[in-house]
Amino acid sequence: SAVISQKPSRDICQRGTSLTIQCQVDSQVTMMFWYRQQPGQSLTLIATANQGSEATYESGFVIDKFPISRPNLTFSTLTVSNMSPEDSSIYLCSVEGGGNNYGYTFGSGTRLTVV
Amino acid sequence: GEDVEQSLFLSVREGDSSVINCTYTDSSSTYLYWYKQEPGAGLQLLTYIFSNMDMKQDQRLTVLLNKKDKHLSLRIADTQTGDSAIYFCAEANQAGTALIFGKGTTLSVSS
Repeated sequence: SAVISQKPSRDICQRGTSLTIQCQVDSQVTMMFWYRQQPGQSLTLIATANQGSEATYESGFVIDKFPISRPNLTFSTLTVSNMSPEDSSIYLCSVEGGGNNYGYTFGSGTRLTVV
Repeated sequence: GEDVEQSLFLSVREGDSSVINCTYTDSSSTYLYWYKQEPGAGLQLLTYIFSNMDMKQDQRLTVLLNKKDKHLSLRIADTQTGDSAIYFCAEANQAGTALIFGKGTTLSVSS
């Protein structure tokens, strides 16, 4: 299965600032997914990022707040813009396993605290 | 819409079996998954099951699928303290492109 490197692993940010999270995959993948896990909650899909086109956002998430880049088939970034304490969460990227592994592989997550 | 439900907590003693239950709503899901999340860590795929299977066994893990009742369970035999974690049940969304997760079951194993 794919191996994902996600960074930063954690950050503490001031409200009103922005943070860009990076995910690098060790193989080419068509789709990359960005999830949010709020404290004590499950994972919620933010958006799906395809290379060469705009990301597709789920209900409740907008591009101005969570701009996504997908410059090639192995890399994507998610920016959390104009942060508030409510954005404190774990953000995870994911790709489909492919091959004989039909599971989805996840990055180790970025634990964001907004103060 | 799609929804996945799990019980929130399970407490067992070391050496006992653990059974974590999950119900889902989308009968068209091709695959159903179990993920494990240890404290401060990302998600680890434990196992998955094809929708045309009733059971899948992988070492200490047994997955049972009842499609009629849309019920999925994960049994962990001989539970160890290292199994303490949050376990998420997930199904693929209708587009088949991403996952819908349950809220997670926190498994606590006491020695």
